[in-house]
Amino acid sequence: QQQVKQSPQSLIVQKGGISIINCAYENTAFDYFPWYQQFPGKGPALLIAIRPDVSEKKEGRFTISFNKSAKQFSLHIMDSQPGDSATYFCAASNTGTASKLTFGTGTRLQVTL
Amino acid sequence: NAGVTQTPKFRVLKTGQSMTLLCAQDMNHEYMYWYRQDPGMGLRLIHYSVGEGTTAKGEVPDGYNVSRLKKQNFLLGLESAAPSQTSVYFCASLGTIQETQYFGPGTRLLVL
Repeated sequence: QQQVKQSPQSLIVQKGGISIINCAYENTAFDYFPWYQQFPGKGPALLIAIRPDVSEKKEGRFTISFNKSAKQFSLHIMDSQPGDSATYFCAASNTGTASKLTFGTGTRLQVTL
Repeated sequence: NAGVTQTPKFRVLKTGQSMTLLCAQDMNHEYMYWYRQDPGMGLRLIHYSVGEGTTAKGEVPDGYNVSRLKKQNFLLGLESAAPSQTSVYFCASLGTIQETQYFGPGTRLLVL
């Protein structure tokens, strides 16, 4: 049972455009929602994270939008750059159960010139 | 401060062989995790530990065993490797539940 569903599977965006990746979760006990960025041959690295007490969090060009009632959250990358080309994973965890992360299936983002 | 390190980086095994993957962290973290990453499936939790001497099963524990004899190390063992265990294995650690998990660089395992 996939508890975190991520879309799209792949995304091509022109330089300067907005990249949007969506995730939906099922478990209402989740209380921590991070996004990880992964480059080929590397481990995932935290990009930005949100807790359900806020509806939006912005860090530079990266914004998480969170809709608790719809059980959905999304990553927006503004002014996308070629260096943003990577695979992005959404995840969710319940900090009351050892903070085990449940990951989405990933989105491969390609930013073209 | 090396963070989370994993050895080996790459290994080829024959079906039925055994091996141990080592994860080490120098951040004095309590929690450690082993994930596997397969194409189109994201990362899935194999086993985890909430402190020295403790281990627990994750989502896909079959065929794997773990040990956490020292706080800084978390070992993942394959007793009898199978082709279905061909994957990239990531270790992660966490200081407190208010933080995020830090991942190692991964071990690529090919089972023939």
